[in-house]
Amino acid sequence: GQQLNQSPQSMFIQEGEDVSMNCTSSSIFNTWLWYKQDPGEGPVLLIALYKAGELTSNGRLTAQFGITRKDSFLNISASIPSDVGIYFCAGQLPHHQNNAGNNRKLIWGLGTSLAVNP
Amino acid sequence: ETGVTQTPRHLVMGMTNKKSLKCEQHLGHNAMYWYKQSAKKPLELMFVYNFKEQTENNSVPSRFSPECPNSSHLFLHLHTLQPEDSALYLCASSQGLGTVNTEAFFGQGTRLTVV
Repeated sequence: GQQLNQSPQSMFIQEGEDVSMNCTSSSIFNTWLWYKQDPGEGPVLLIALYKAGELTSNGRLTAQFGITRKDSFLNISASIPSDVGIYFCAGQLPHHQNNAGNNRKLIWGLGTSLAVNP
Repeated sequence: ETGVTQTPRHLVMGMTNKKSLKCEQHLGHNAMYWYKQSAKKPLELMFVYNFKEQTENNSVPSRFSPECPNSSHLFLHLHTLQPEDSALYLCASSQGLGTVNTEAFFGQGTRLTVV
């Protein structure tokens, strides 16, 4: 099935550092979503992006919908220990590219595992 | 608290057992989903329901049987599972398949171990 290329696969950083991760696709997306998953929990939505070039912040998190509509990045500023977890991107194809079985289905990246050293 | 509640949180079952996973959402959403999450793999969409009607079955083996009695509740009935079915099973909901807002809200998952 389709898959997004998410990088890096893992990161180990010092507390206070900034973090950047991104997702790319060979297909154009209408929507980009960023989620965080803590161990033993389900993914929690962080930021939703709906328009090419859109830049949205949520506290120390900032995400952008790439102008080509084929990529998105997530930045975390001044990381803290509770930022530890796995970050996932998800994208949605334009409606005309969705076949009958894929209406509004999300395509997921493999995740970026973030570890923060206090 | 995401508004989506899954029970049980953990389940260990033998290959000959029958068990069910339950999901309930309090968000007023019309679409509900079952996902399977295994290590080193992207989230795998299993089933989609929109207004209680199943709209997608991603070639899931018949040993997994979903049920959606209403827009707020979703079940996954399990029988004669295999060890490779061990995974985190996630339920999610969204406003509806025909809406612009496609954000999915997830439950905490059921960690399933098949022995």
